Amino acid sequence: NAGVTQTPKFQVLKTGQSMTLQCAQDMNHEYMSWYRQDPGMGLRLIHYSVGAGITDQGEVPNGYNVSRSTTEDFPLRLLSAAPSQTSVYFCASSRPMTGKTEAFFGQGTRLTVV
Amino acid sequence: AQSVTQLDSQVPVFEEAPVELRCNYSSSVSVYLFWYVQYPNQGLQLLLKYLSGSTLVKGINGFEAEFNKSQTSFHLRKPSVHISDTAEYFCAVSEPFYNQGGKLIFGQGTELSVKP
Repeated sequence: NAGVTQTPKFQVLKTGQSMTLQCAQDMNHEYMSWYRQDPGMGLRLIHYSVGAGITDQGEVPNGYNVSRSTTEDFPLRLLSAAPSQTSVYFCASSRPMTGKTEAFFGQGTRLTVV
Repeated sequence: AQSVTQLDSQVPVFEEAPVELRCNYSSSVSVYLFWYVQYPNQGLQLLLKYLSGSTLVKGINGFEAEFNKSQTSFHLRKPSVHISDTAEYFCAVSEPFYNQGGKLIFGQGTELSVKP
């Protein structure tokens, strides 16, 4: 049982480039989300999804797009990378949808935008 | 809107000493409370959670936390720490509503450094 898998683990982008961070879970969880982690700021929610075909914005959505075509996958797209998007990105999944159960996190993607 | 404040950004402590990591939260509704641990270069792992019932919650690795509704606090404690407890610890809250999908609001994190 792999849990939550994120790829790539590391990435360097040039300003203005686009890319997709991949996230997949094999636990049949309804809820998936993306967070970014910055020093001294904890983790902040970017986008989340409560099921296939349903997504919504979190606290810091600007510059990012998401889609949820299947239960398993929840990719995060950076449309035009900026140095302010240098961060560590975590994908998480959980069930049920009421927030009672724990979120399972991937190992993270460390992104540097130069 | 909810918010979480971890009162200490860094906590240095000697091995076998007790430790308390402090967490206060603000919310206009009832919330669920969590503590997560992050070891270097890894993802987050759940230590413990408070959903309802007994205000003293026991978690993994000998940690426990106490929910205090009047003081809106959820402090994490361990009576005797080990070198292996060196990590960053995050306090988080979520709303118990169906359409919120269990969104987590995190505190800023506390770096626990255990010295020999």
